Amino acid sequence: AQSVTQLDSQVPVFEEAPVELRCNYSSSVSVYLFWYVQYPNQGLQLLLKYLSGSTLVKGINGFEAEFNKSQTSFHLRKPSVHISDTAEYFCAVIRGGYSTLTFGKGTMLLVSP
Amino acid sequence: DGGITQSPKYLFRKEGQNVTLSCEQNLNHDAMYWYRQDPGQGLRLIYYSQIVNDFQKGDIAEGYSVSREKKESFPLTVTSAQKNPTAFYLCASSSQGRSTEAFFGQGTRLTVV
Repeated sequence: AQSVTQLDSQVPVFEEAPVELRCNYSSSVSVYLFWYVQYPNQGLQLLLKYLSGSTLVKGINGFEAEFNKSQTSFHLRKPSVHISDTAEYFCAVIRGGYSTLTFGKGTMLLVSP
Repeated sequence: DGGITQSPKYLFRKEGQNVTLSCEQNLNHDAMYWYRQDPGQGLRLIYYSQIVNDFQKGDIAEGYSVSREKKESFPLTVTSAQKNPTAFYLCASSSQGRSTEAFFGQGTRLTVV
């Protein structure tokens, strides 16, 4: 079975500061990894995904993530956050024979002026 | 514009009543999914369907039912057997293949009083 652990439920940060949202996964087989963002009372939007190849993945809105197989991690980073980045972020892993995602419990990113 | 439409956005029901949540997609995707979201719990898979007239239970299927009579539609019924139905419900779809991303609707917030 696969599981996803997001180590922080909330991350407060000041505007223009860098941020890292942590995600660890457990799986005995190769995985596909995703980061989604959710703004209040809305659905989820894909930020980026890792399928294979380069371990550094760039996504939308200036976000990037690094796949680390030895540490089973897929941390999300942004060098300088904006107020508009305030949202909940979910790490997810593909499981099974189809695209059934297993999600972490989410990290709320709170950006203040 | 292609996308996933969930309706209604807000739904109130009395305890003991069945209620059906609508999900329609015009992305020509084969697979569709229903997730339940509770604060601090992430997203949990209720049901999913890979092709028309076929669907599988997810992690928390008890008290829910679905149908997949058309490729575009995947309605979810929350029955009176569901003990804690108040939640945010998200529908998603994807094309075939494990590496493809899932696209999400805007969600339906169900409140049972």
